[in-house]
Amino acid sequence: GQQVMQIPQYQHVQEGEDFTTYCNSSTTLSNIQWYKQRPGGHPVFLIQLVKSGEVKKQKRLTFQFGEAKKNSSLHITATQTTDVGTYFCAGTLMFKAAGNKLTFGGGTRVLVKP
Amino acid sequence: DADVTQTPRNRITKTGKRIMLECSQTKGHDRMYWYRQDPGLGLRLIYYSFDVKDINKGEISDGYSVSRQAQAKFSLSLESAIPNQTALYFCATSAVDLGEQYFGPGTRLTVT
Repeated sequence: GQQVMQIPQYQHVQEGEDFTTYCNSSTTLSNIQWYKQRPGGHPVFLIQLVKSGEVKKQKRLTFQFGEAKKNSSLHITATQTTDVGTYFCAGTLMFKAAGNKLTFGGGTRVLVKP
Repeated sequence: DADVTQTPRNRITKTGKRIMLECSQTKGHDRMYWYRQDPGLGLRLIYYSFDVKDINKGEISDGYSVSRQAQAKFSLSLESAIPNQTALYFCATSAVDLGEQYFGPGTRLTVT
């Protein structure tokens, strides 16, 4: 079964409000990445978290990696219509000496109500 | 110009036909990946390659094959297409020792 789960699958947000999407893994991850896919587009890298408990911010987006490195969250404040899209988390499983093989969550599709 | 390109962008084919999806990149990355996207299932890894002589199966490789013709080119083939292979297919690349993956624009494949 899918090792990386995201909730919720859909998120309807009123413009200006905050929301959080969660990512949970059945196994410990080396690191976690977040991607955004606009409607009709392709996934675009947002950020990577590596350390236990790490928190990173990008303007209105706050990313957190859990202490056990098995979960992560993305919090968006003051949602704007430009935030529309699907947000994916992806856990990195280290393979061979170097390199990565990502396991993606199912994504959270965000719709913004103006 | 796009760093990762995919051809074709859209394709409709019939059950039983052989089809090839192509991916080219100008980023100079060694690592290339093929993913399949279905609604609600995120992206699932079909095959990946860490260099020209290295090909590995992903989680859903049955019914697919790949060819790494050069560092810059990675092709995905469906030997005998079936309707449940209808999906959006993405190629991606990454640099050695870096986690970020760069995705192509995708190929929307419909098998009737």
